[in-house]
Amino acid sequence: DQQVKQNSPSLSVQEGRISILNCDYTNSMFDYFLWYKKYPAEGPTFLISISSIKDKNEDGRFTVFLNKSAKHLSLHIVPSQPGDSAVYFCAASARNAGNNRKLIWGLGTSLAVNP
Amino acid sequence: NAGVMQNPRHLVRRRGQEARLRCSPMKGHSHVYWYRQLPEEGLKFMVYLQKENIIDESGMPKERFSAEFPKEGPSILRIQQVVRGDSAAYFCASSTPLSYSGNTIYFGEGSWLTVV
Repeated sequence: DQQVKQNSPSLSVQEGRISILNCDYTNSMFDYFLWYKKYPAEGPTFLISISSIKDKNEDGRFTVFLNKSAKHLSLHIVPSQPGDSAVYFCAASARNAGNNRKLIWGLGTSLAVNP
Repeated sequence: NAGVMQNPRHLVRRRGQEARLRCSPMKGHSHVYWYRQLPEEGLKFMVYLQKENIIDESGMPKERFSAEFPKEGPSILRIQQVVRGDSAAYFCASSTPLSYSGNTIYFGEGSWLTVV
């Protein structure tokens, strides 16, 4: 059962335009969400996060929006640059009974930004 | 380099041999995670450790795989009697203890295991 779903395996965008990457989740207990970027042959790099007490968090060209009622979050990159071409992973976590957290990952969306 | 350090970056083993992957967390981080990425698949959680304690090993295969994070030294992911299906990228990540409000984990560059 995939609790975190990135339904678009790939996305292609023109340089300078907006890239919108989507992520849906099923567990209403998730209260912390993160986006990571991954280049081939490298480890994932943390991009931006959002707590469930917020509905938006912005960092430079990257903005994450959280819609709790729809159990949906999105990452907006504007303007998109060729160097943004990578696989983007959405991850979510909830505090469990042991007061621990575990990140649940989506399968990723491959973004290609074309010059 | 204050980041998460993994070695070796690339490891080739014959079927039946043992593979040992090492991970040194970021300075100040006491928690380590191991993930595996099989070809054409996403990141799969394997195990979550703090020093001398396994917190969550729900993603570890039942046999041949083990992980430790001793009081001194790096975390080790050990795969005994490797098979071709173990060929994958193994990523280590570290964090401070995941807080009530959530936390960020930081990844190393990965170790690529090839079983021939």
